[in-house]
Amino acid sequence: EVQLVESGGGLVKPGGSLRLSCAASGFTFSTFIMNWVRQAPGKGLEWVSSISSSGSDIYYADSMKGRFTISRDNAKNSLCLQMNSLRVEDTAVYYCAREGYDSLTGYYGPFFDYWGQGTLVTVSS
Amino acid sequence: QSALTQPASVSGSPGQSISISCSGTSSDIGDYNYVSWYQQHPGKAPKLMIYDVSNRPSGVSNRFSGSKSANTASLTISGLQAEDEADYYCSSYTSSFTFVFGTGTKVTVL
Repeated sequence: EVQLVESGGGLVKPGGSLRLSCAASGFTFSTFIMNWVRQAPGKGLEWVSSISSSGSDIYYADSMKGRFTISRDNAKNSLCLQMNSLRVEDTAVYYCAREGYDSLTGYYGPFFDYWGQGTLVTVSS
Repeated sequence: QSALTQPASVSGSPGQSISISCSGTSSDIGDYNYVSWYQQHPGKAPKLMIYDVSNRPSGVSNRFSGSKSANTASLTISGLQAEDEADYYCSSYTSSFTFVFGTGTKVTVL
């Protein structure tokens, strides 16, 4: 069974830092692109970042560039998001999400088929 | 990258069909057949309902279907049921190798 479990959320002051982790199990982590998606309280979903299976290709949403760093450890089946210079508007539930995979056809695609339960990050003074 | 545009709310009676639109640009929806749809119940993680415009993952009811024309995608729910009441989000891959989500639509079953 595919499982994604986020941790590391909490309360942090504006300008502070936080490191989120996502523990993956139930699939071959090293073969999948992984993503972070966030959702501010009462708001919609916002894609944050993605990292290729090897970690060589990384992309960020414009508002996170230069402040957030995505990384992965394939040996530990772990995904991370280092968040620096946090702003009040970064307050959100942060989800870890796996790149889509159709097991019937062996197709990998740009969609999100498994999500974690999310971890809440609150940025407030 | 601006969010894709969805209606804030759509409602229907049990058994009816409803459609949710998702409007983008030539740099996202119009450029790729990589539109996906997610259902989210309150306090829960999103659930994939449709991928690559019109494909249903295993386990998703065939009452859910997707389509696309130019820069606009649509999700149709037929035979509306009480359990379909939730928020729905579209998403598209973009020409910048990023993703963009829609503004979200609250579906109410009357």
